[in-house]
Amino acid sequence: AQKVTQAQTEISVVEKEDVTLDCVYETRDTTYYLFWYKQPPSGELVFLIRRNSFDEQNEISGRYSWNFQKSTSSFNFTITASQVVDSAVYFCALLGGATNKLIFGTGTLLAVQP
Amino acid sequence: NAGVMQNPRHLVRRRGQEARLRCSPMKGHSHVYWYRQLPEEGLKFMVYLQKENIIDESGMPKERFSAEFPKEGPSILRIQQVVRGDSAAYFCASSPVQDNSPLHFGNGTRLTVT
Repeated sequence: AQKVTQAQTEISVVEKEDVTLDCVYETRDTTYYLFWYKQPPSGELVFLIRRNSFDEQNEISGRYSWNFQKSTSSFNFTITASQVVDSAVYFCALLGGATNKLIFGTGTLLAVQP
Repeated sequence: NAGVMQNPRHLVRRRGQEARLRCSPMKGHSHVYWYRQLPEEGLKFMVYLQKENIIDESGMPKERFSAEFPKEGPSILRIQQVVRGDSAAYFCASSPVQDNSPLHFGNGTRLTVT
């Protein structure tokens, strides 16, 4: 069975703090993809990153970075120097198997206080 | 290039009425996916369609729910005889081919059943 666990339900930080959102996944597929999406208060889903299972290189995009570790089945997301505009629900998702059926975690609500 | 377009953005229905949610995929995309987000939960896969074909409807309730993606026009998610438990945000995503490309989501339709 495929599963994504985001154990942190809510995180509150003060602006400029760094914050890491955890994501642990389960799959028996050897080829799979991992995603992060942002859902701001306005409700839309914003694609942030896709990573395939054969690429364990960490990725950095501005203040965002992702740490993919197959050994621990984790794909964690770090925001450096957080800003109020980062306040949102962040979803980690897994895509494996023969269909494009994304399996989402339950999300982490990040609140960045000014 | 317009993104995935969903309408209406908000829909209010009384119990027993029908709800029709529309999704126009991105230009050139022939695959459409519907997901449901219940309040305070992550997104759950409902159905995956290609033009004129349902590929995977394993996440769709057996009764009252149906989906189509005709040769011409948008994909339609139809909910008959709505109940309060159908209140949720319904998201549509599209992709060009089944190649695990990032799924581009629309802004969602928020259905409220009174």
